[in-house]
Amino acid sequence: EVQLVESGGGLVQPGGSLRLSCVASAFTFNSYEMTWVRQAPGKGLEWVSSIQSDGGSISYTDSVKGRFTISRDNPKNSLLLQISSLRAEDTAVYYCARVGGYNSFDSWGQGTLVTVSS
Amino acid sequence: QSILTQPPSVSGAPGQTVTISCTGTSSNIGANHNVHWYQQFPGTVPKLFMYGNTNRPSGVPDRFYGSKSGTSASLAITGLQAEDEADYYCQSYDRSLSGWVFGGGTKLTVL
Repeated sequence: EVQLVESGGGLVQPGGSLRLSCVASAFTFNSYEMTWVRQAPGKGLEWVSSIQSDGGSISYTDSVKGRFTISRDNPKNSLLLQISSLRAEDTAVYYCARVGGYNSFDSWGQGTLVTVSS
Repeated sequence: QSILTQPPSVSGAPGQTVTISCTGTSSNIGANHNVHWYQQFPGTVPKLFMYGNTNRPSGVPDRFYGSKSGTSASLAITGLQAEDEADYYCQSYDRSLSGWVFGGGTKLTVL
């Protein structure tokens, strides 16, 4: 069974940084595009960033461009999200997900909570 | 404000049929990009519920139907059951934004 396990969330002050990690197992990680999706407390889902299987193509939602950096380490089956210059509105549960058939997000991790507050 | 528009809530009695709409534009649904649906129960992880407009992942009952036409898509639930009560989100790709977009989510209540 596909497993995605996120870590790295926590409480951070405005302007601070965190590094989120997602470790994958039970599938051929280097064959799949991967993505980050976030969900603010009580709110809906918001796509954040995606990276192709070989890391060759990367995209971000406009609100995080220049502040967030997605990367992957295929030999270690890991997906990373460096989040910087954090704002209160970045407070959310951050999920990593696999991009599967028809470009759907077919497997999700349990999420890691990022709280931006002074 | 979400790029894809969903009704905030829908409701129906057990056994009834309800439909959740997802309205987009010529940059996303209308650009022939696939629509996917996710189901989320309170406090849990979203789960892929319908993909490629009309395809049900293994385990999703055939009471659920996906459709797409023009710049809109719909998720129909027939024979409504109490266990269907959840939040449902639609998703597509937007070529103008060069990224994925979600609807704001619809809370389904079984009366």
